[in-house]
Amino acid sequence: EVQLVESGGGLVQPGGSLRLSCAASGFTFSSYWMSWVRQAPGKRLEWVANIYHDGSVGVYGDSVKGRFTISRDNAKNLLHLQMNSLSAEDTAVYYCSREKETRGWRDASDIWGPGTMVTVSS
Amino acid sequence: IQLTQSPSSLSASVGDRVTITCRASQDISSYLTWYQQKPGKAPQLLIYGASTLQSGVPSRFSGSGSGTDFTLTISSLQPEDFATYYCQQFNSYPRTFGQGTKVEIK
Repeated sequence: EVQLVESGGGLVQPGGSLRLSCAASGFTFSSYWMSWVRQAPGKRLEWVANIYHDGSVGVYGDSVKGRFTISRDNAKNLLHLQMNSLSAEDTAVYYCSREKETRGWRDASDIWGPGTMVTVSS
Repeated sequence: IQLTQSPSSLSASVGDRVTITCRASQDISSYLTWYQQKPGKAPQLLIYGASTLQSGVPSRFSGSGSGTDFTLTISSLQPEDFATYYCQQFNSYPRTFGQGTKVEIK
């Protein structure tokens, strides 16, 4: 079964750090771009970052650039999101997702994990 | 690129035809994706490339449009379709989402 499962969420103080992980199974992880998307309570989905197959390229949304780092371990089928300098505005459910391609162009996130909640509060 | 969905919410009955629109602030060709999200759950892919139905998605869902104006249509609303629907563009970074359209029971 194709599956993604996030972990690592929790309560963190403002200014603190947290590392999220996403375990992939049921597909060839190293063949796909992977991404993180978040959703603050009652708000729209917000794309956070994505990463190339081999981890050599990461792209970030403006709101997290310079604070978050996306990485992957293809040997262990793991995706990570290192989050630093956290603020209340980063409170959200964080989803990892797989990006699919059609004729060489990425055009959707077709597999999503159930999400992990990150709460930034003192 | 900003995506604006309309309406933000709607009330409909089982069997109704429902149409949701997504307007992009600039030309995104056909790189528009639709998701369904139920409370407390992850989004599920419905349509990609503006009009291609994802495998396993019921045929009552359809998408159309290109450029800046897109439409998601549910031909006959079913009880399991009450949810929030989001559009997302894959034309350029950042991969923006619309604000969502909540479909509620009338």
